[in-house]
Amino acid sequence: EVQLVESGGGLVQPGGSLRLSCAASGFTFSSYAMTWVRQAPGKGLEWVSTIGASGNTYYVDSVKGRFTISRDNSKNTLFLQMNSLRAEDTAVYYCAKKAVVSKSWFDPWGQGTLVTVSS
Amino acid sequence: QSVLAQPPSVSGAPGQRVTISCTGSSSNIGADFDVHWYQQLPETAPKLLIYGNNNRPSGVPDRFSGSKSATSASLAISGLQTEDEADYYCQSYDTSLSAWVFGGGTKLTVL
Repeated sequence: EVQLVESGGGLVQPGGSLRLSCAASGFTFSSYAMTWVRQAPGKGLEWVSTIGASGNTYYVDSVKGRFTISRDNSKNTLFLQMNSLRAEDTAVYYCAKKAVVSKSWFDPWGQGTLVTVSS
Repeated sequence: QSVLAQPPSVSGAPGQRVTISCTGSSSNIGADFDVHWYQQLPETAPKLLIYGNNNRPSGVPDRFSGSKSATSASLAISGLQTEDEADYYCQSYDTSLSAWVFGGGTKLTVL
């Protein structure tokens, strides 16, 4: 069974940093692109970043230059380094496995980890 | 304002059929990118419901179906059940933004 478990969320002050992790199991992690999607309180889903199996990275414009996605295939773990955090980054952050087909869907999703940016 | 437009809410009585629309443009759905649908039950993570416009993952009842035409897509739910109350999101890829995009979500209420 594929499992994704996020961790690393918490309360951080504006301008601060946080590193999210997503531990994967149940599939050959190194063979799949992985994605972060966030959901602000009471709002909809927003794609944040994707890293390909080969390491190519993609970001939504609002986080470019501030967030860095990476992966450690030896530990089956996905990361999201978030710097210069803003109040509008407050959200539940989900990691998800991306289907092999290009420009495709995300399945499954982890349970999410809450990031709160506030002074 | 989301790139993919969905109605904020829809409702129906148990047993009825409802549809949720997802309207895009020539840079996403109209550019021949597939549409996928997710169900988010209260206080849970999203779950894939339909992929590749009209395909159901294993375990998803055939009451759920998807379709796509030109620059829009639709999710149909027949034989509504109370456990279908959830938020539903469409998702595609936008070539102008070079980004995966979601609809704003539709809250389904089963009356």
